[in-house]
Amino acid sequence: DGGITQSPKYLFRKEGQNVTLSCEQNLNHDAMYWYRQDPGQGLRLIYYSQIVNDFQKGDIAEGYSVSREKKESFPLTVTSAQKNPTAFYLCASSLQGYAGYTFGSGTRLTVV
Amino acid sequence: KNEVEQSPQNLTAQEGEFITINCSYSVGISALHWLQQHPGGGIVSLFMLSSGKKKHGRLIATINIQEKHSSLHITASHPRDSAVYICAASSGGGADGLTFGKGTHLIIQP
Repeated sequence: DGGITQSPKYLFRKEGQNVTLSCEQNLNHDAMYWYRQDPGQGLRLIYYSQIVNDFQKGDIAEGYSVSREKKESFPLTVTSAQKNPTAFYLCASSLQGYAGYTFGSGTRLTVV
Repeated sequence: KNEVEQSPQNLTAQEGEFITINCSYSVGISALHWLQQHPGGGIVSLFMLSSGKKKHGRLIATINIQEKHSSLHITASHPRDSAVYICAASSGGGADGLTFGKGTHLIIQP
C-alpha cells in the first residue's frame, strides 16, 4: 500500500545535538512538507519542497534544514540552533498541491 | 496570510448526538481541508472541498465561500469518533502548504 513512513516514532536527544527525522513516501507525490505541532497550537509549516533538489522555507524554518535529493525522501534535520526543538513533527505530501494531502504518523522529538 | 479559526476548542457529547464543528478563514482559499488526528498523533484526511457539501458515511462537510466558513457534522456520534478534528486552508493552488486551525478536541461518551 502507498503511504508516508516517518521514523522513528519517538526520539530522544541531548541538548546541543543535531538530529535527523526521516520521511519517505511511495505515492509518487511531487510536493512534500514538514510541519511542527505544539500543544494548543495549530500545525506550522517548517519547510516544503515542490520538486527534487529544490525547497522553500516555511513560517518557522530557523534552526532546521532539509534536503530533497530523491522524489521519495525529504529528511528534516533539527539543528542545535533550534531553541525549542521538543515537539511533534509531521511530514506530508501531495500530488501537485491541488489534490488532497497524505500525512505520516509523526515523530515525537524530546530534547533533554 | 490566512488566519484559520475553529470552534469550539473542546466538545464533549453523549453517544448518538449530532455534532457540529465550525471553521472560519480570513482570505480566499483554493480548498478547505478537514482532518482527523487520533491520540497517537497520525493525521487522516477526511475531506477536501472548495464548494458545496461532501458526505462520507456519518460525516458531512459544508463550505460557504461567500461567508468564508465551513462546518463538519457528525451524525449519530459514537465513542470511536473521539479525536481532534482540524480544519486547514490551502490557497494559491495549495502547493506551498496548508494553514491550520488549532483543532477541536471531541470526546463522545458512551
